[in-house]
Amino acid sequence: GQQVMQIPQYQHVQEGEDFTTYCNSSTTLSNIQWYKQRPGGHPVFLIQLVKSGEVKKQKRLTFQFGEAKKNSSLHITATQTTDVGTYFCAGGEDSSYKLIFGSGTRLLVRP
Amino acid sequence: GAGVSQSPRYKVTKRGQDVTLRCDPISSHATLYWYQQALGQGPEFLTYFNYEAQPDKSGLPSDRFSAERPEGSISTLTIQRTEQRDSAMYRCASTPHPGGNEQFFGPGTRLTVL
Repeated sequence: GQQVMQIPQYQHVQEGEDFTTYCNSSTTLSNIQWYKQRPGGHPVFLIQLVKSGEVKKQKRLTFQFGEAKKNSSLHITATQTTDVGTYFCAGGEDSSYKLIFGSGTRLLVRP
Repeated sequence: GAGVSQSPRYKVTKRGQDVTLRCDPISSHATLYWYQQALGQGPEFLTYFNYEAQPDKSGLPSDRFSAERPEGSISTLTIQRTEQRDSAMYRCASTPHPGGNEQFFGPGTRLTVL
């Protein structure tokens, strides 16, 4: 079945440094979504990408969807302590409305 | 309602007991999902509903797990004869309609099976 892998598992950065997490699917996706989960909280939607090669920006966050629609990345420029949390990608397929979540990248930021 | 609510927030039960978890989605949201989230992992799909229909229950781990949404709003997830491996966070999410849209998650029910 469809699998979504995410790396790295953990990233510990100094405040102000950049951060990137990568997501790879075993199958071609119809769309990919990104969620952020703060410690003790629930996943909160960040963005959805649907087009091959799509790039979207939200302030310091840049999201990319690969040309083959099998991989994606999230890049945070100049991290802040408020960026702390676990970032999940979640892939959807045309044949189903379900999302397959990656295992997440936990971001820790040293002030 | 203002958001997705789930109850109970915490449930401790003994192995072999049945448990029922409840999800109250955002009002008017057609689609409701159930996930199981182990510590340090991403949410793992269990099943979903479009109104009262349940098109996909491929993620339910065994026939001990079942879900209902009889009136197309509130949903319940029942685990019969619980086992220790069922211990996890169970999350519910809803979307306005089916297909690749933002999912609004509830706070989850932390289930511990002793």
